[in-house]
Amino acid sequence: QVQLQESGPGLVKPSETLSLTCTVSGGSIRRYYWSWIRQPPGKGLEWIGYISDTGSTNYHPSLKSRVTMSLDTSKNQFSLKVNSVTASDTAVYFCARMTYAIPGRFDYWGQGTLVTVSS
Amino acid sequence: DIQMTQSPSSLSASVGDRVTITCRASQSINMFLSWFQQRPGKAPNLLIFSASTLQNGVPSRFSGSGSETDFTLTISSLQPEDFATYYCQQTYTTPYSFGQGTRLGLK
Repeated sequence: QVQLQESGPGLVKPSETLSLTCTVSGGSIRRYYWSWIRQPPGKGLEWIGYISDTGSTNYHPSLKSRVTMSLDTSKNQFSLKVNSVTASDTAVYFCARMTYAIPGRFDYWGQGTLVTVSS
Repeated sequence: DIQMTQSPSSLSASVGDRVTITCRASQSINMFLSWFQQRPGKAPNLLIFSASTLQNGVPSRFSGSGSETDFTLTISSLQPEDFATYYCQQTYTTPYSFGQGTRLGLK
């Protein structure tokens, strides 16, 4: 059974960098896209971007200037960095797997981790 | 960017009711539409993809239909565990986008 688990600091100061890692177990990181999605408290879901198993990336235009995603296939992990954070970046951050098959579907998700931006 | 609009935003129903939620895309997305269920404090759970294909393990009381810009999610007979928030999502083109959600509550 595929499982995804987010990890990283739960509190980040304004203007600093948010860093999260998602560890994939029970399956390979190959042949999938790996996404980050966030959900501000009490609000809806926002797709942040994805990284493919070959390392190609696609970011939401509204976040593109501040987001970097990376992949470590040897550890079956992928990561998210968001720099220059503000209070509006406070959210539960989910990692998720998206299939290569068209149309892609987000079939496995991590449980989510709350990141609060506050001094 | 493609905007996804769900209706209604909230809905009250009883166990055993038949419920329909609609999702409209701001432009054609073919059948690149998924539906998710999210319970409080949990991750979204994929119910349906390709507009009408039931994800493995999802009960058959859930069904989806539609194409191009108009889609529906139907729950044929509500069960107590179905009271949750439902989201549609398009994967036709990036940036992928979600509807604002429909909160399904107990009447």
